[in-house]
Amino acid sequence: AQKVTQAQTEISVVEKEDVTLDCVYETRDTTYYLFWYKQPPSGELVFLIRRNSFDEQNEISGRYSWNFQKSTSSFNFTITASQVVDSAVYFCALSEGGNTGTASKLTFGTGTRLQVTL
Amino acid sequence: NAGVTQTPKFQVLKTGQSMTLQCAQDMNHEYMSWYRQDPGMGLRLIHYSVGAGITDQGEVPNGYNVSRSTTEDFPLRLLSAAPSQTSVYFCASMRPGRSSNYGYTFGSGTRLTVV
Repeated sequence: AQKVTQAQTEISVVEKEDVTLDCVYETRDTTYYLFWYKQPPSGELVFLIRRNSFDEQNEISGRYSWNFQKSTSSFNFTITASQVVDSAVYFCALSEGGNTGTASKLTFGTGTRLQVTL
Repeated sequence: NAGVTQTPKFQVLKTGQSMTLQCAQDMNHEYMSWYRQDPGMGLRLIHYSVGAGITDQGEVPNGYNVSRSTTEDFPLRLLSAAPSQTSVYFCASMRPGRSSNYGYTFGSGTRLTVV
């Protein structure tokens, strides 16, 4: 069975600090897909990134970067120079390839609440 | 595009009542799912569908039914509401494929309270 662990329940940082959110996953599939979602205080879920197991490249998007390491089954998310608008709950999720070979259902971690203060 | 539309946004039910949470998407996505979000537990998959006429159970399907007669709609039925079903429900849709640009688009959620 697949599992996602986000051990950090809550993180507080001061604006402009860098912060890394950890995500560790478990799966028996050789093909799988990893995601990060943001849930701001308004409650909607915003798709941030998807990484496929067969593409181990790291990704950078502005102040956001993701480090995918199959050797440690981790998919960590770093925010550089954090801002108050980054305050949200961040979820890591995993989908095994399964019969369809594509991501059809997600298993979420329990989320990390990030609080950025001035 | 409206994206994924969920109705209603809020609902209070009495124990034993039944109701249907509506979900519609206008992006022609084949994959659709229902999740519930409870404090400290993240989101858990209730049911999902990989296309019209095809549905399957997720992690927590008991007490819920779904059907997928069209690509656009994926209603979730609560058969006999229980207080344990008090939660926030999210519907989501996604285009299938291996592109790293493809991720689930979520609706704004339905906050359900069962008293």
